[in-house]
Order: sequence, then C-alpha cells, then structure tokens
Amino acid sequence: GQNIDQPTEMTATEGAIVQINCTYQTSGFNGLFWYQQHAGEAPTFLSYNVLDGLEEKGRFSSFLSRSKGYSYLLLKELQMKDSASYLCAVDLAYSGAGSYQLTFGKGTKLSVIP
Amino acid sequence: KAGVTQTPRYLIKTRGQQVTLSCSPISGHRSVSWYQQTPGQGLQFLFEYFSETQRNKGNFPGRFSGRQFSNSRSEMNVSTLELGDSALYLCASSLGTGVGEQYFGPGTRLTVT
Repeated sequence: GQNIDQPTEMTATEGAIVQINCTYQTSGFNGLFWYQQHAGEAPTFLSYNVLDGLEEKGRFSSFLSRSKGYSYLLLKELQMKDSASYLCAVDLAYSGAGSYQLTFGKGTKLSVIP
Repeated sequence: KAGVTQTPRYLIKTRGQQVTLSCSPISGHRSVSWYQQTPGQGLQFLFEYFSETQRNKGNFPGRFSGRQFSNSRSEMNVSTLELGDSALYLCASSLGTGVGEQYFGPGTRLTVT
C-alpha cells in the first residue's frame, strides 16, 4: 500500500525560506512529484525527482532520499503569491516510461505573511 | 499551445443518475489521467489512458469508467451516482512516453444531491 504524509499547514514570512517535508511508505516507486495548487485552481507542476539528491529550479528546490522514503520542497525568497497548497505525489505506474499513476499526499497549505 | 480543457466546468446531478465528463488534452499529448479531489481524501487517481487503452487503474468501484478516442480526447463516466461522488474531477495530460510533466485541466465540479 501507499502512505504519504505531509504537514497539514505551515506559515512563513515573506522573504524567508520554508521547507515542506514529505514522507512515504510504498511498495513500489518510480519517482516523486511536487505540485502547487492555488485555491480553486488546478495543480501545477513544480518538480520531479527520480534519483536521490537535490534538484534546483529557480526559487524552488526538491530533494529525494529513496532509502529513507523522504522528500522535501524548499522555497526560497518567499513571496505572497506562494501562498498555496503544496502536494507531494509518488508515481507507482509500471507500464513503462511516460505512464503515470500518482498517489498524492493530502497537501500542505502554506500561508505567507508580510 | 492551448492547455487541457474540461467540460462541463460545473454539474449538478441527483443520486442514481449517471454523468459523463470530457477532457481534451494538450495537442500532441497521448496520455490522459483522471483524478478525483475531495476535501477529505485529497487527490485520488482514477485511471490513465494512452492510445485508447487503459494503462493504469486506481482503486475505485466499477461505477467509474472511462475511455479515450483516437484524437486522445477522453471521457469518464460515473453511473448510479452517490452523494459521496461529489468532488472536483481533474484530468491531466502528458506525452505518455519518456519523462515529462503532467498538465492538469481546470476540473469539473460535480455536485450530487
């Protein structure tokens, strides 16, 4: 089975750095995604990790440790527009490259305050 | 390039009815996945279609079904609606081969009364 845990809510100050953790327990695993979802909108892709290590993309970075079942999303230089839910998802598909079967965590609601 | 489109955006149905939702993927994308999002359960995977074939399936009852057409457009159907089926239904498209992003559509908000 799959069990993905992330904190329910976090609050951080504009300009600061915040780390959102995600732990997972799964019997199979192809890779891990992070999505951002603003209230009332569809999720948008942030990052995809398949190998251990840190992937940096502008103000956002994502880290994965497969052996520890752990990932985090790091947001730097926080802006008010970063207030959103951040969803961690593991890909369990076994139908070949490009096939996705994502299992999502419940999401972390981040509030950025002035 | 146009994004993923879903129709209708909002729908109200009564228990026992059936409903069909439509998703048009980004041009050139051959994979379409469907998800159900509720406040209590979050985002849950329903199924994925690629080249008109169901490639992956989540843990939902047989009342939930789908199909994909030769132009990659996809439909999902829910029969014998229950109150608990009230949710935001999202579809996502991707190339379907190799590593690539999944792009989500705006969703269809289904309310069952």
